[in-house]
Amino acid sequence: SAVISQKPSRDICQRGTSLTIQCQVDSQVTMMFWYRQQPGQSLTLIATANQGSEATYESGFVIDKFPISRPNLTFSTLTVSNMSPEDSSIYLCSVVGEVGQPQHFGDGTRLSIL
Amino acid sequence: LAKTTQPISMDSYEGQEVNITCSHNNIATNDYITWYQQFPSQGPRFIIQGYKTKVTNEVASLFIPADRKSSTLSLPRVSLSDTAVYYCLVGGFNLNTGGFKTIFGAGTRLFVKA
Repeated sequence: SAVISQKPSRDICQRGTSLTIQCQVDSQVTMMFWYRQQPGQSLTLIATANQGSEATYESGFVIDKFPISRPNLTFSTLTVSNMSPEDSSIYLCSVVGEVGQPQHFGDGTRLSIL
Repeated sequence: LAKTTQPISMDSYEGQEVNITCSHNNIATNDYITWYQQFPSQGPRFIIQGYKTKVTNEVASLFIPADRKSSTLSLPRVSLSDTAVYYCLVGGFNLNTGGFKTIFGAGTRLFVKA
């Protein structure tokens, strides 16, 4: 399966600032996704990152708050904008290599906002 | 998209076989059933995926009855290191639309005791 690297692995940020999280995959993948996992909770899909076009956001998530880029088949970024303490969470990148294959996940970025 | 229901938690002892059942009454024809394991501070790790009947790999077995409205993950002879959260997911690629969607349920917290 693909090796997924996320940067940074963790960060502590001030409220009102923005942070960009990077997801790099060691092979070309069909699909890339961004999830959020709040402490002690399950994972919630934020959006599907589409190569060369705007991401597809799930209900409750908007582009202004979570802009996403996917310039090629191996890389994507998620920005958490104008952060507040409620954004403290783990953000995970997920990929699907080819049709019919299962999703694989990075180890996430643990974000704390003061 | 089909919703999944799992027990919130389970206890077991080392060396025992553990069976975790997931209910997915509204599973669609194109949906696959996938199980993940998650340790603290790590992303979900793929365990096994199936469509129907029985699937076995080096770490687990997945039993799916003919109506596919439930599935059972079987972990043979668990050890302390199998203490984790286990997620059942239903979904995958929709070959008609080209889209991909899965939703995480609440997961089952498995505690393996010595």
